[in-house]
Amino acid sequence: AQSVTQLDSQVPVFEEAPVELRCNYSSSVSVYLFWYVQYPNQGLQLLLKYLSGSTLVKGINGFEAEFNKSQTSFHLRKPSVHISDTAEYFCAAKRPGNNRKLIWGLGTSLAVNP
Amino acid sequence: DVKVTQSSRYLVKRTGEKVFLECVQDMDHENMFWYRQDPGLGLRLIYFSYDVKMKEKGDIPEGYSVSREKKERFSLILESASTNQTSMYLCANSLGHGNSPLHFGNGTRLTVT
Repeated sequence: AQSVTQLDSQVPVFEEAPVELRCNYSSSVSVYLFWYVQYPNQGLQLLLKYLSGSTLVKGINGFEAEFNKSQTSFHLRKPSVHISDTAEYFCAAKRPGNNRKLIWGLGTSLAVNP
Repeated sequence: DVKVTQSSRYLVKRTGEKVFLECVQDMDHENMFWYRQDPGLGLRLIYFSYDVKMKEKGDIPEGYSVSREKKERFSLILESASTNQTSMYLCANSLGHGNSPLHFGNGTRLTVT
């Protein structure tokens, strides 16, 4: 069965430091991959997505992610974080053709400290 | 900009009550979803709908039902609320094609006492 694993449940980091949030997926077929962010007391919003093509995907708010097929990973990175990046981050996968169900990771809580 | 609106931000209900959570979209998106979000468990799909009057069970449909009489509205119904249904409920929608992302509402935090 397909699954998505976010390797860190919590990531504390200081402001202006780089950050990487790790996501691995298990699938023997091609997948679409997504990162969503949830700010406190809000719903989720899309940060970026990988569908095909270039393995480096750029998203909103300075985030980017790299699709690595051999390692089945889709890690999210930002070179310099701000206090306002404090949020919950979710990685998700979807099989092409199955347009309804996303497989979700359990989330990574990013806490940016001054 | 796609907007998904959930009618209540906070809701407190008693055990055994019938509870309706409403979700309205302002775009013509085919798919609509109800998730619940609990600490340590992430997002779990309750039900989704891919067209008017069409619905499919998600991963945790027990104790819930849904209604989609119009394309823009998707309702989640707790037939007889229980304390283990205390949770954050998130509504989302998406276009019909496979690579379309989800657009979420701000959530309804339901407490069942």
